[in-house]
Amino acid sequence: AQTVTQSQPEMSVQEAETVTLSCTYDTSESDYYLFWYKQPPSRQMILVIRQEAYKQQNATENRFSVNFQKAAKSFSLKISDSQLGDAAMYFCAYRTTRTGANSKLTFGKGITLSVRP
Amino acid sequence: GAVVSQHPSWVICKSGTSVKIECRSLDFQATTMFWYRQFPKQSLMLMATSNEGSKATYEQGVEKDKFLINHASLTLSTLTVTSAHPEDSSFYICSARKAGGFYSNQPQHFGDGTRLSIL
Repeated sequence: AQTVTQSQPEMSVQEAETVTLSCTYDTSESDYYLFWYKQPPSRQMILVIRQEAYKQQNATENRFSVNFQKAAKSFSLKISDSQLGDAAMYFCAYRTTRTGANSKLTFGKGITLSVRP
Repeated sequence: GAVVSQHPSWVICKSGTSVKIECRSLDFQATTMFWYRQFPKQSLMLMATSNEGSKATYEQGVEKDKFLINHASLTLSTLTVTSAHPEDSSFYICSARKAGGFYSNQPQHFGDGTRLSIL
């Protein structure tokens, strides 16, 4: 079974600075998807960024980028120019590419990010 | 596009009553819907996966008779918490995904969640 590990429960960053959130995962599959979701205090789940394992290029979305290290099974999220609105809980998630019974998101425990003004 | 509407957003009811939560995909057909439960400051815990027209697949430890899931159409799934008790109080989130063939790259779209409080 796949597992996703987020070992840091909390992090803090100064506004306008850069922060990196760590995530590791374990799988025997060669092709899969990785995601970062943001959950602000409103508790809505917002997709931040997505990475296909077969792509070597790291995904980027504006101020958000990932460092995907497939061999190390590491998938960290970098937030540049942090803003107050980035304060939220962030979840790393894994999903197989196959449909069927196992085609579900496996979430990490999450990390609470606070942004200092 | 890809909006998932979840209703109600907050419900308070007495112990022993049953509560129904609706999850609708507003602008796409969702062959698969997921129901999660989340406690404060914790991760989402998958309760069950439902496919339109078939019985839901429950995760280990989730009581099927307690949490009834119905996915009767391609745009609607419901979760009914039967004979609810204070320990069922939690935040429930639904998620929907379009069909995508054998290898699916369709993302999951989440509803805004339902805060359930049992007195």
